[in-house]
Amino acid sequence: DTAVSQTPKYLVTQMGNDKSIKCEQNLGHDTMYWYKQDSKKFLKIMFSYNNKELIINETVPNRFSPKSPDKAHLNLHINSLELGDSAVYFCASRIQGGTEAFFGQGTRLTVV
Amino acid sequence: GQQVMQIPQYQHVQEGEDFTTYCNSSTTLSNIQWYKQRPGGHPVFLIQLVKSGEVKKQKRLTFQFGEAKKNSSLHITATQTTDVGTYFCAYSGNTPLVFGKGTRLSVIA
Repeated sequence: DTAVSQTPKYLVTQMGNDKSIKCEQNLGHDTMYWYKQDSKKFLKIMFSYNNKELIINETVPNRFSPKSPDKAHLNLHINSLELGDSAVYFCASRIQGGTEAFFGQGTRLTVV
Repeated sequence: GQQVMQIPQYQHVQEGEDFTTYCNSSTTLSNIQWYKQRPGGHPVFLIQLVKSGEVKKQKRLTFQFGEAKKNSSLHITATQTTDVGTYFCAYSGNTPLVFGKGTRLSVIA
């Protein structure tokens, strides 16, 4: 079983559209994250959720909104997509205060 | 917020040569983690260092945490083509994992 799964793996969409990326973890972790990886491979934290509460919201546009229906899921909604949103988005999870983070396979978003 | 600076950004080596990437912080870190991301893949945890001066080995990989807990290094002995990828250090405290910018390793056979 995949520990952290993201869907879709690839997403191509036009500017101005609204899209969602889903993430689920079956590890029983209490903390989940969204990271954005740009073309230079920099991994930038976007959101951190612990027990369904947003802990840290980095300076990302408010077009991005995380939604966590339960502890095992953290979805990412993006409104009014822009060209600069093109990147690979990674979901990750771990136990708060724990050691390793487990990453999903990534979602490659291309805005045209 | 706290940041970890990682150098070099890129490294090209001949197969069999050694490779080292460095991670530095201006402040003391409670711990440091290392991840590897293969091309087209996702970051995978390698190790966590916690103690001052700690050294850990995984086969050809040697990880060090500085005495002042402000720097860390990952050294690969006799690189192989399977070592290709981007190596990240990351700081983990009460904040989310904050990653360095990574070192992209290319190995020429």
